[in-house]
Amino acid sequence: NAGVTQTPKFQVLKTGQSMTLQCAQDMNHEYMSWYRQDPGMGLRLIHYSVGAGITDQGEVPNGYNVSRSTTEDFPLRLLSAAPSQTSVYFCASSPDRNGFSGANVLTFGAGSRLTVL
Amino acid sequence: AQSVTQLDSHVSVSEGTPVLLRCNYSSSYSPSLFWYVQHPNKGLQLLLKYTSAATLVKGINGFEAEFKKSETSFHLTKPSAHMSDAAEYFCVVSAAGGTSYGKLTFGQGTILTVHP
Repeated sequence: NAGVTQTPKFQVLKTGQSMTLQCAQDMNHEYMSWYRQDPGMGLRLIHYSVGAGITDQGEVPNGYNVSRSTTEDFPLRLLSAAPSQTSVYFCASSPDRNGFSGANVLTFGAGSRLTVL
Repeated sequence: AQSVTQLDSHVSVSEGTPVLLRCNYSSSYSPSLFWYVQHPNKGLQLLLKYTSAATLVKGINGFEAEFKKSETSFHLTKPSAHMSDAAEYFCVVSAAGGTSYGKLTFGQGTILTVHP
């Protein structure tokens, strides 16, 4: 089925470990983004991309890196995990660069639940 | 700058009774407004969106929302709640200009509980 696929669904890390959350979409969407969801705070934008080779910071980028080598993939890297990064992470995509205008609808993945001990 | 406030963190209704989830926004430019729903352990799904066309917007599963510029509100309603409506709902604003152009701002979420 077409959509946004995130892996892994669950992950437990120790402080200081690194890992990558994977996100792939098969809808040829130009715009992709990563959000974190914390109780009572809604979703906050971490990083986004308006096309292959282009990335930019969102509201809470510290401690995270991204790259966009292809249209389909947008991995999120945690280089040295901290307990404050315990959260549920969502990848979302939108049809074209106008997704950045906010008028287009985001398609969300099912989420990745990360716990940092 | 833009912001969105969901006025209730929890709403509890009985099955078959009306649902009202309240959302106020602020934006310096004409906003786009969305309601998303998140069922437990799932991603977010679009319910409906407003983008400067009709002020009364109809969405999926019988939900609708009315854009009221004078009140800066975008409340979500449904005439009769179903058990399957139990979920968390997010109001989202996006500005059409200024420094917030294209950036989505999510409300804190409202958890809807439906009792039999």
